[in-house]
Amino acid sequence: NAGVTQTPKFRVLKTGQSMTLLCAQDMNHEYMYWYRQDPGMGLRLIHYSVGEGTTAKGEVPDGYNVSRLKKQNFLLGLESAAPSQTSVYFCASRIRPNAAEAFFGQGTRLTVV
Amino acid sequence: GIQVEQSPPDLILQEGANSTLRCNFSDSVNNLQWFHQNPWGQLINLFYIPSGTKQNGRLSATTVATERYSLLYISSSQTTDSGVYFCAVERAGGTSYGKLTFGQGTILTVHP
Repeated sequence: NAGVTQTPKFRVLKTGQSMTLLCAQDMNHEYMYWYRQDPGMGLRLIHYSVGEGTTAKGEVPDGYNVSRLKKQNFLLGLESAAPSQTSVYFCASRIRPNAAEAFFGQGTRLTVV
Repeated sequence: GIQVEQSPPDLILQEGANSTLRCNFSDSVNNLQWFHQNPWGQLINLFYIPSGTKQNGRLSATTVATERYSLLYISSSQTTDSGVYFCAVERAGGTSYGKLTFGQGTILTVHP
């Protein structure tokens, strides 16, 4: 039982390149989330999903796209990376809102040069 | 949206000392979690505590939901307790969808 796994752990991109971050969970959770953490700040929500085939915008969605084709996977895409997207990205999942804790992946450190 | 404020922003302790971290929030919540972010950047779940008191070894937490605050107690601190402590809340209401709002964190440094 691995919990929430993020791939890759580290990545360096050039401005304008694209990439996809993968989040996989093996706990059969319905809800999944992508957050970003910038220096000296708490995490902010980028996008989230309340079930397979659904996605919704969070607090800071601009420049990102997401997909949830399978229940266990939540993908975060950067179509044209910008230096402002240099950050640490965390994925989280939970079985349901209101009465259960969220579990977080180990993070992906992305640098855009 | 809901506001989450943590205090103090920074805390420096000698090993063996006790400390209290505070989290205030501006609206009703139905979920509150405390996390420890270690020096390697990993987020470790400490407590899921929307109300009441819980203890886990040297750590304990209390949430008074009616007064909109939570406290994290660390007793007999160790150097491995160093890192950033985050409080995160889910606003009460049917449209929260489990989204967490994080505070800015408390940076704890424990010296040997």
